Amino acid sequence: AQKITQTQPGMFVQEKEAVTLDCTYDTSDPSYGLFWYKQPSSGEMIFLIYQGSYDQQNATEGRYSLNFQKARKSANLVISASQLGDSAMYFCAMREMHMNNNAGNMLTFGGGTRLMVKP
Amino acid sequence: GAVVSQHPSRVICKSGTSVKIECRSLDFQATTMFWYRQFPKQSLMLMATSNEGSKATYEQGVEKDKFLINHASLTLSTLTVTSAHPEDSSFYICSAARGQTEAFFGQGTRLTVV
Repeated sequence: AQKITQTQPGMFVQEKEAVTLDCTYDTSDPSYGLFWYKQPSSGEMIFLIYQGSYDQQNATEGRYSLNFQKARKSANLVISASQLGDSAMYFCAMREMHMNNNAGNMLTFGGGTRLMVKP
Repeated sequence: GAVVSQHPSRVICKSGTSVKIECRSLDFQATTMFWYRQFPKQSLMLMATSNEGSKATYEQGVEKDKFLINHASLTLSTLTVTSAHPEDSSFYICSAARGQTEAFFGQGTRLTVV
């Protein structure tokens, strides 16, 4: 079974509007972390936001916020006031902490969502 | 600024030659680094876990003799694609974790084998 699922292969959003990118995950580990990355056409992976499984509040970083619903195992990324420069691939990833070794630091990625911002 | 640096960003090589890709953590020590491969329009696929001072751990289906990994110091891991063939053409990207809540990536290397 997929550990990280991003059901939207592509999305359009009008400039200045908000958009939500979906991410659901599957783990039996009580301790885990969820990451979102942006990958523009240049290929670099840009870290956006992090949410820990024990964090009480939803993470926010500027225009990015994470709608963390633990019971539903979802960690959707919300981008407010979209800009043309937000057009890129977005990846959701998870790190499971139960492994008491360095392998526990590896990230498992979802399939990604291509976001296209329309002027 | 970048905390993980990867070089080269782009390389074209002839079939049968070897290519070395470097991944450096710039301002922190990384006992573990990760190497990923990404095909066009697809997600990142973990190839191997690079451990400082010990052998790398390869994911199933990844040939360790084809993709040699050396983690010689706490700030440097190298991936060598040996006897490269056109099917090895891909985007390779490394990652290093800083604590449990941060994972930084290099800029990636686009390898083209002709």
